[in-house]
This record gives sequence, C-alpha cells and structure tokens, in this order.
Amino acid sequence: AQSVSQHNHHVILSEAASLELGCNYSYGGTVNLFWYVQYPGQHLQLLLKYFSGDPLVKGIKGFEAEFIKSKFSFNLRKPSVQWSDTAEYFCAVKGSGNTGKLIFGQGTTLQVKP
Amino acid sequence: ETGVTQSPTHLIKTRGQQVTLRCSSQSGHNTVSWYQQALGQGPQFIFQYYREEENGRGNFPPRFSGLQFPNYSSELNVNALELDDSALYLCASSEQETQYFGPGTRLLVL
Repeated sequence: AQSVSQHNHHVILSEAASLELGCNYSYGGTVNLFWYVQYPGQHLQLLLKYFSGDPLVKGIKGFEAEFIKSKFSFNLRKPSVQWSDTAEYFCAVKGSGNTGKLIFGQGTTLQVKP
Repeated sequence: ETGVTQSPTHLIKTRGQQVTLRCSSQSGHNTVSWYQQALGQGPQFIFQYYREEENGRGNFPPRFSGLQFPNYSSELNVNALELDDSALYLCASSEQETQYFGPGTRLLVL
C-alpha cells in the first residue's frame, strides 16, 4: 500500500536554528510531491511542490526541499527558522494514475522558541 | 487565501443523524477533492469530483457520498453519523495537479 512517513512528530528549535524535516514515501511509479503547512488557526497552505526537473525545489518563505529518488525521500529544509514558522507541516504524495488522491504523512509539529 | 470556501465552519450532530457540508471551489477550478482530518493525523482522501462525476474514491464507506454542481461547487453528505466521524473535513480545488485547500468544517458527533 502507498504510504508517506514523516519521521519527526514534534520538533522544537530556537530561532535562527536550521531545520530539516524528513519525509519518505512508498510508491513504485512516478510521483508528484508536496509540502503543506498549517499555521495555528489557519488552513492548509502549499509551501512547495515537485513534479519533475531539478530535484531541489524552492518554495515560499525561504523553504526548500530535495527529491532523492533512490531514497524515496523529499525532505524539507530551511537554513534559519523564525518564530513565525511555528506550525504543522505535512508531506504529501500523488502517484501517477492515482486520480486526485493525495496521500499525506502524519504531520510534524514545529515549535520555534523566540 | 486560496479562494476555496467551506460552510459551515463548525457543526455538532448526534449519532445516527445526517450531515451535508458545502464547498465552493476557486474560480476556474473544475475539480474538487474531499478529505477527513482526524485530530493529530494527516488528511485522508475521501473522494474527488471532476466535472460533476466521481473521479476516485478512498477507503470510506458508502454512507459518505458527494455531489458536484455545474458551477463546480460541491457537497459532502454523511449518513448515519458515528462518533468516529468527528473530524475536520477539508475541501480542495484544483485545475491541474496542485490542490488548494479551504479552511475546513469541524464536525463533532455526540
């Protein structure tokens, strides 16, 4: 069965620290990959996406992610976090042929201390 | 703001009742997907509608049903509510491969 695994459930960082959130998926074919963020009291927002091409993709607010096909991974990174990055982060995968179905990981709660 | 709106924002029902949730898609988007997000979990795909036809379904029982209208807005209907149906229900609209989410409807079943 297709699945998405986010290794860190709860991460606590101080401002200016670097961030890396892990995401691995299981799917044998071509995939589209996404990171969404849910700020407190707000709806899910798209951070970045990968469909094809350069495996290093840049998103909003200084976030980036790298697709490593051999490792079935799509880790999210940010060099220096801010207090305003406190939120829940979801990795999601859409397999080719899976009409419309996004498979989400369980989410990672990031708490940034000022 | 994605332009996807959902109503109502909150709802309380009792076991056995029926509920209808509504979603207006972003302008120009002809595809609507519905997800259930239980507390502390990632969203789970319920189904998708494309041009008024169901276009894929997740692992949810038939008492979860939906509709899409000619203006691409959509409804999610849940019959015979169970306590485990308590969750945040998310609607997402898309035109191609990227889904944009609304704020959700929080349903509590007592």
